Amino acid sequence: RKEVEQDPGPFNVPEGATVAFNCTYSNSASQSFFWYRQDCRKEPKLLMSVYSSGNEDGRFTAQLNRASQYISLLIRDSKLSDSATYLCVVMGAGNNRKLIWGLGTSLAVNP
Amino acid sequence: GAGVSQSPSNKVTEKGKDVELRCDPISGHTALYWYRQSLGQGLEFLIYFQGNSAPDKSGLPSDRFSAERTGGSVSTLTIQRTQQEDSAVYLCASSPAPGTHSYNEQFFGPGTRLTVL
Repeated sequence: RKEVEQDPGPFNVPEGATVAFNCTYSNSASQSFFWYRQDCRKEPKLLMSVYSSGNEDGRFTAQLNRASQYISLLIRDSKLSDSATYLCVVMGAGNNRKLIWGLGTSLAVNP
Repeated sequence: GAGVSQSPSNKVTEKGKDVELRCDPISGHTALYWYRQSLGQGLEFLIYFQGNSAPDKSGLPSDRFSAERTGGSVSTLTIQRTQQEDSAVYLCASSPAPGTHSYNEQFFGPGTRLTVL
């Protein structure tokens, strides 16, 4: 089993749609969780951290369920510019700051 | 301020040659990471430096790969006797010291695209 698993995608949605990505992780001791965004042939960039209480940043909402070892990202009112690959990322416990990356889910928002 | 920079941006080499890839992290960042990403694949962790601590080399795929970080700043990733399967984009990232703002965020450079013929 991969340490971080994501929906395989790709997701093709019309502008204005709501889309949800899911991610599961295998190490219950993991402490920190993130969603990164990667545009085609570009480097990854942090989209948002994921907190236990859930957090929202504009049209983006991230949720964490530690009991189920599950992370989600919800994008509301999709824009063309949201088209990218979304990477679920988990940081190890304690002093282990190595990031474990999911393979990513590709999103295409169509006009 | 300046972000993470990497050089060269592209490198084409012949099988069996050695290559050196350079990373200049953001000034003041104490942690530095190397990853590689093959076409259509996720990021693969290679090595992690944190301050003066011994690096975490657990992701290096073979003894042909090595990295050093001089003076706690610039890092060089060296691949000896390159093979075709080494072809990938090599990404470097840095992050601030623990306890500082955004210390959990990794800031990536643009990567070096390595092609081994």
